[in-house]
Amino acid sequence: EAGVVQSPRYKIIEKKQPVAFWCNPISGHNTLYWYLQNLGQGPELLIRYENEEAVDDSQLPKDRFSAERLKGVDSTLKIQPAELGDSAVYLCASSFGGGVYNEQFFGPGTRLTVL
Amino acid sequence: AQKITQTQPGMFVQEKEAVTLDCTYDTSDQSYGLFWYKQPSSGEMIFLIYQGSYDEQNATEGRYSLNFQKARKSANLVISASQLGDSAMYFCAMRDQGGSEKLVFGKGTKLTVNP
Repeated sequence: EAGVVQSPRYKIIEKKQPVAFWCNPISGHNTLYWYLQNLGQGPELLIRYENEEAVDDSQLPKDRFSAERLKGVDSTLKIQPAELGDSAVYLCASSFGGGVYNEQFFGPGTRLTVL
Repeated sequence: AQKITQTQPGMFVQEKEAVTLDCTYDTSDQSYGLFWYKQPSSGEMIFLIYQGSYDEQNATEGRYSLNFQKARKSANLVISASQLGDSAMYFCAMRDQGGSEKLVFGKGTKLTVNP
């Protein structure tokens, strides 16, 4: 069974440019998460989807970040315009349902460098 | 508010020895889950072990065991017979119902296994 797929793995852009990350969750997983991981820190949730619906986007900086999950499968996270402080790893995870006890499976992440 | 504390920024262990990575947590919920993830230099978060708040037995998965002390709010990870491939970052995480079911991570512990 394939795991969570993310692309690109690495991205280098100049500040003020737009950037997009793509995530394909594990087949059958209806819950999808985007996390931000700064250097030396644990991941922090940006947004959580249940199927197509964003059920928790309270930590998403909506002035420059946007996300979508059309058809409840793949998801795209966008930053426009990027700032120097956005340099980090962006992790996508999925699970079968939400709930306290459900394990989340993570993808390899996209490492973003903003110059 | 949910909080995970990992007080050991770095730990060293000799190959074949056991090591304990500390984790304390704070939550006002009665129902919660505790997770440990391993993050090698490749960046992917690998699920290791899970403990539910109502589980009476400590969780075990192969060489990994979780020393769960509910009254002290601690969930330490024990790795037995360390291997060179265990060198990585280790993150403790918690999920409770009051926190919108998101995973809250600690800052991690960098484990180095010496030959």
